[in-house]
Amino acid sequence: DSGVTQTPKHLITATGQRVTLRCSPRSGDLSVYWYQQSLDQGLQFLIQYYNGEERAKGNILERFSAQQFPDLHSELNLSSLELGDSALYFCASSVSGGFSEAFFGQGTRLTVV
Amino acid sequence: AQKITQTQPGMFVQEKEAVTLDCTYDTSDQSYGLFWYKQPSSGEMIFLIYQGSYDEQNATEGRYSLNFQKARKSANLVISASQLGDSAMYFCAMREPSTGNQFYFGTGTSLTVIP
Repeated sequence: DSGVTQTPKHLITATGQRVTLRCSPRSGDLSVYWYQQSLDQGLQFLIQYYNGEERAKGNILERFSAQQFPDLHSELNLSSLELGDSALYFCASSVSGGFSEAFFGQGTRLTVV
Repeated sequence: AQKITQTQPGMFVQEKEAVTLDCTYDTSDQSYGLFWYKQPSSGEMIFLIYQGSYDEQNATEGRYSLNFQKARKSANLVISASQLGDSAMYFCAMREPSTGNQFYFGTGTSLTVIP
C-alpha cells in the first residue's frame, strides 16, 4: 500500500459527460501529480500541485482541470469526455516538489463509451 | 530527444536467475533523480528503487539494485533471484529540476519469469 488513495477505482461513462477523479496523498506529502496512461501514449504528465498551488502543467487538455484543496487532497475534472479519454489516471504524491521519491495511487480506470 | 529510453520491450528470465533491465536517460541538470516502478497486470504503479544523481553508491532495495553509471547516463535495474511474482511491466523514470520535477517515463519493459 503506497498510502496514496484514489477514488473511484473504475468509472464507466458516456461521451460528452463530466467526471471527477479524487486523490488523497500520503500523510505529510505536499505535492500531487496527475498522470494519464493510455496504450498509445504511454504515461503522460498532466499537472502538478504543491501545497494548493499549481506548480507545473504538462499535456493537459483544456477540457481537463484540477485543483488541490486546503486539506491537500486533489481532484481532476474531465469534461466533454471523448472515447480517446479512456485511460488509467494516476495520482502520485511526494513530500516536496523536488526530485525525491514519489508514490502512486492505484489509479482510476476510466472507460468512455 | 527522449528523456528516458528503454530498449527492451520484452524480456524473459528463468525463475531464480538474475535479470538486468536497461535504461538510459538524457538530462543537462546536475541534480536529478532516477526511479524504477513496477506495474503488474492489476495496474498499480509500485515504487521499487530510487537513485539520486549525487549518490555515490548504487541504490539497493532487497532483491532490486540500480546499476548507476553517471558518465554513460544509464540506470539499469538488476533483479536478483527472480520470482514468478516479478512478471510485470517495469518503467524507468527520471525527475529533473529544470522541467519542474515532473516524472519522465520510459516506454517500459515487459518481464516474464519462466518457472
